[in-house]
Amino acid sequence: GQNIDQPTEMTATEGAIVQINCTYQTSGFNGLFWYQQHAGEAPTFLSYNVLDGLEEKGRFSSFLSRSKGYSYLLLKELQMKDSASYLCAVRDLNSGYSTLTFGKGTMLLVSP
Amino acid sequence: DGGITQSPKYLFRKEGQNVTLSCEQNLNHDAMYWYRQDPGQGLRLIYYSQIVNDFQKGDIAEGYSVSREKKESFPLTVTSAQKNPTAFYLCASRGGTNYGYTFGSGTRLTVV
Repeated sequence: GQNIDQPTEMTATEGAIVQINCTYQTSGFNGLFWYQQHAGEAPTFLSYNVLDGLEEKGRFSSFLSRSKGYSYLLLKELQMKDSASYLCAVRDLNSGYSTLTFGKGTMLLVSP
Repeated sequence: DGGITQSPKYLFRKEGQNVTLSCEQNLNHDAMYWYRQDPGQGLRLIYYSQIVNDFQKGDIAEGYSVSREKKESFPLTVTSAQKNPTAFYLCASRGGTNYGYTFGSGTRLTVV
C-alpha cells in the first residue's frame, strides 16, 4: 500500500514564500505530482518530479528526494489567488497499471 | 479545445435509487479514472480503465459500477448498495508528456 502525508492547513501572507511538504511510502515509485485545487473545482496540474532535485516553473518550484521519500512545493511571491488546496500525488506502477494515489491535501490560506 | 466533460455538475438522488454520472473526453487518452473526494479525505480511487472494454477496481469500488464501451466515455453508476454516496466525484484521463492526469470539472452528488 501507499502512505502519503502532508500538513492539513497552512497560512501565509501575500508576497511571502511558503513551503508545503509531502512525505510518502510506496513500492514501485514512478513519479510525484503536485496539483492545485480551488474549492469546488477540478485539480489542475502544477508540477512533476521523477528524478531527485528541483524543478522550477515561474513562482512555483518542486523538489524531490527519492531516498528520503520526500517532496516539497515552494510558492514564491504569494498572491491572494494562491489560496487553495495543494495535493501531493504519487504514481505507482502496480502490476503494470499506473495509478495516482493522493494525499489528503494542504489547505493554504493567503492573507493580505 | 480538447478536454474532459462531466455532467451533470450537481445531482440529487433519493435513497435506494441508482444514478449514473457521465464522463466524456476528446483527448484521445487511453486511460480513464474515477475518484471520490470527501472533506478531509483527499481523492480516493473508485475504478479505472486502461483500454476499452477493460476496467479494474480501485480502493473503494463497493457500491459502484462502470463500463468502457468507447474510448471517449467512462460512465460511473452509483448503486443503492453505496451506503454513503454524498460526495464530489472527479473523472480524469491520463496522457501527455508526463502521463499526468487531466480532470473534469466534477459532479457533486447529494442524497436527499
